[in-house]
Amino acid sequence: DSGVTQTPKHLITATGQRVTLRCSPRSGDLSVYWYQQSLDQGLQFLIQYYNGEERAKGNILERFSAQQFPDLHSELNLSSLELGDSALYFCASSVISGRGPGGELFFGEGSRLTVL
Amino acid sequence: LAKTTQPISMDSYEGQEVNITCSHNNIATNDYITWYQQFPSQGPRFIIQGYKTKVTNEVASLFIPADRKSSTLSLPRVSLSDTAVYYCLVAASGSARQLTFGSGTQLTVLP
Repeated sequence: DSGVTQTPKHLITATGQRVTLRCSPRSGDLSVYWYQQSLDQGLQFLIQYYNGEERAKGNILERFSAQQFPDLHSELNLSSLELGDSALYFCASSVISGRGPGGELFFGEGSRLTVL
Repeated sequence: LAKTTQPISMDSYEGQEVNITCSHNNIATNDYITWYQQFPSQGPRFIIQGYKTKVTNEVASLFIPADRKSSTLSLPRVSLSDTAVYYCLVAASGSARQLTFGSGTQLTVLP
């Protein structure tokens, strides 16, 4: 158990709809990262938040948005869904103290989104 | 951002040592190298991290040459349960960074 909690685990919806994925980071971790992984594909970085502020942006579509709340949980909002948005969405967290090694992420089990 | 290149796939047999190499030619001075393991439909899991020379833990070793332009993950005596995708990630410490994974290496361990 990584300590990162993602809900829901599975979600089936229709094209054009909007969904919200939720992530609770490990206790004490200030950074949250969102990744998308389509079938048999690698991990595509979407966005990173640090202590409530957006810090880095990757290949995130304009139809997608995210935020990190004061209690450090994060939500990824996906709207006007298309068939191609079907994927596993992972959240990861890290301490990011600004000192010491970089790159150690703790991943949740993912939310599997199916768009029909 | 340091781009990484790994072999797409590798096959091995149970009990053998497996070495997976990652190239990162434009690694920066403050970048660290981290390896992750991912099973199907699960989140990646941290294996090992290093900056230079050699690092060893209970599951793997990481070899990094002096120029740091590549790194090699070594898995001793693999078993069927080591079949997974292995990613190397190159990133600096700090709070603002785009942690982009490469394509990963699918390791298949055969009986």
